Amino acid sequence: QVRLVQSGAEMKKPGASVKVSCKASGYTFTNYAIHWVRQAPGQRLDWMGWINGGNGYTKYSHKFQGRVTITRDTSASTVYMDLSSLRSEDTAMYYCATHYGDYVVWGQGTLVAVSS
Amino acid sequence: EIVLSQSPGTLSLSPGEGASLSCRTSQNVNNNFLAWYQQKPGQAPRLLIYRASSRATGIPDRFSGSGSGTDFTLTISRLEPEDFAVYFCQQYGNSPWTFGQGTKVDIK
Repeated sequence: QVRLVQSGAEMKKPGASVKVSCKASGYTFTNYAIHWVRQAPGQRLDWMGWINGGNGYTKYSHKFQGRVTITRDTSASTVYMDLSSLRSEDTAMYYCATHYGDYVVWGQGTLVAVSS
Repeated sequence: EIVLSQSPGTLSLSPGEGASLSCRTSQNVNNNFLAWYQQKPGQAPRLLIYRASSRATGIPDRFSGSGSGTDFTLTISRLEPEDFAVYFCQQYGNSPWTFGQGTKVDIK
């Protein structure tokens, strides 16, 4: 079945960068886009951006433009989300997800904690 | 971007009672790509309903979704103890994906 498996929790200091991976399986990686969404404590989910698995085209939320970079490695069926200039407000669960057919499949989430 | 507004913010009910949760969107959702999720503390969202009214695999039939256009409803016919959680809606038919702020269903 379609599955997205994310890398483990990260603890970072303010100003650092974090790179979270999302490995896809169970479908043709290049046929679908993968999105990144984050959820800060007590907040609604917030869409960050997406990458086309086939041609690598990306689109980012204006909120994160300039700080987020999404890349892919088709040979590994893996997408990466890089977030730079981290601040305490970036402490959140980060999820990758894909719109597969009629529904969305989610990764298990990666906790990124930013603290000095 | 499409704005999703959920109501009520909190629903206080007893086990065995029914619940009706609303999700209104600021524009029509393409292809009725509107999903409902359940989320418990520290857990990833659990897909309940997709495409407004289709129940996801393994979801009990006490959960049902309805609506189209800009007005959507999640109904839980008889609350079980494990149903007390936060529920949120998502539209994934238009870019960017957007989410409701959630309805908390807690025990009265």
